Amino acid sequence: EPEVTQTPSHQVTQMGQEVILRCVPISNHLYFYWYRQILGQKVEFLVSFYNNEISEKSEIFDDQFSVERPDGSNFTLKIRSTKLEDSAMYFCASSEFVPQYFGPGTRLLVL
Amino acid sequence: GDSVTQMEGPVTLSEEAFLTINCTYTATGYPSLFWYVQYPGEGLQLLLKATKADDKGSNKGFEATYRKETTSFHLEKGSVQVSDSAVYFCALSAKARNTGNQFYFGTGTSLTVIP
Repeated sequence: EPEVTQTPSHQVTQMGQEVILRCVPISNHLYFYWYRQILGQKVEFLVSFYNNEISEKSEIFDDQFSVERPDGSNFTLKIRSTKLEDSAMYFCASSEFVPQYFGPGTRLLVL
Repeated sequence: GDSVTQMEGPVTLSEEAFLTINCTYTATGYPSLFWYVQYPGEGLQLLLKATKADDKGSNKGFEATYRKETTSFHLEKGSVQVSDSAVYFCALSAKARNTGNQFYFGTGTSLTVIP
C-alpha cells in the first residue's frame, strides 16, 4: 500500500539555524499538507498546497516558514532561523481530496 | 469557526472492556469526520471515517456514527485489547474552496489497556 514518507525521522538543530523537512507524498495525490504537534498538545494545521501554490495557511505559518515542491515527488517545509518553540513533531500529509494520509513525522528539536 | 472537542484523557481500561471516546464538532456546511490513531513513537494512521450524516465508519472493531442532530462522532469498541493502547484523535475535514481540506483535530485521548 502506498504511503507518505518523511525524512529525517529526527533532527536536532541550534536556535537560529535553518532546517528543511522533506516529504514524499503518495504519487497520485494532488493536495499536500504540513501539520505540527508540540509535545503533549494537539495536532495543528500549518499549510496546504495545491496546484503548485499555497492554498491555505494558519496563523502559525508566518514568514519564518516556506513550502516548496521542487520536483514531481518531494514536498518540503523550510523553517528559517529556528526558535526554541519550533521544537515539535512535524507531519506531512497528502490526499486526493479526503481523507488525508499522514507520514510518520519528523521530530525536530531546537536547542 | 470549525472545531472539534474531544473527551479528555487519559483513559485506562482493562482488557475486554467497552470503550467510548466522545467527540463533538462545530462546523459550517457538511464536514467529513475521521478518527486517527497514533501508536507510541509513530505517526497518525487513519482509523475510520464518515463523510455524511448517519454514515457509520468501522475498522478493526472500532465504530463511529456521524450524528448530525447531536454533532457527534463518538468512537466505540466492544472489547479493547492491550494492542489498542494509543492516542486517538477525532478530526474534521472542512472543505476549503476546492483547493484542499483543512483538518481540525481534537486534543487527542490517550488510551491505556491493561491486561
